[in-house]
Amino acid sequence: TQLLEQSPQFLSIQEGENLTVYCNSSSVFSSLQWYRQEPGEGPVLLVTVVTGGEVKKLKRLTFQFGDARKDSSLHITAAQPGDTGLYLCAGADQRGSQGNLIFGKGTKLSVKP
Amino acid sequence: GAGVSQSPSNKVTEKGKDVELRCDPISGHTALYWYRQSLGQGLEFLIYFQGNSAPDKSGLPSDRFSAERTGGSVSTLTIQRTQQEDSAVYLCASSSRSFSGNTIYFGEGSWLTVV
Repeated sequence: TQLLEQSPQFLSIQEGENLTVYCNSSSVFSSLQWYRQEPGEGPVLLVTVVTGGEVKKLKRLTFQFGDARKDSSLHITAAQPGDTGLYLCAGADQRGSQGNLIFGKGTKLSVKP
Repeated sequence: GAGVSQSPSNKVTEKGKDVELRCDPISGHTALYWYRQSLGQGLEFLIYFQGNSAPDKSGLPSDRFSAERTGGSVSTLTIQRTQQEDSAVYLCASSSRSFSGNTIYFGEGSWLTVV
């Protein structure tokens, strides 16, 4: 069974601080996605990374896919209260169903003003 | 609206009753997914429909769970003889093709509570 381990599970920081969320697995994924979910809503896709070593930036968010395509990280610079939410990583196994994304349990981020 | 629409948004049912959850995908999207999100857990894959292909049912946890997609659009997830462990948020999503290279759009979910 493929698993994606996310850490930390909870993170509470002050506005302006930097943070990094990790997503690790012993399995190789063909691609990896990061989502943000707010209470009462469905997850919203932030980014998809495909190539080992790939780095993508989305404003203050930086996403990296590990060289071996087994892990990924999300770094947020100068966090804002609007960044508060549940961050989920999800990996796609090319050998499996096209619909079967493996999700981590998420990192619940709280940014206090 | 133009997004994925799910109903009901909240459902409280008694143990042993059957429930039906409905999903209206984004118009034109051929791929439709059902996931389950329990408290403190990530999203658990349930079932995937793609066009006219046979659905991938590999994530359905038991034979009490079934889903259908009529006319390649609306989907219904049915849970028979509900148990307390079925309590969760059931999320539906759609994409224009399979998710590879395409954005998956999630609905707001149906929160099921079995008492």
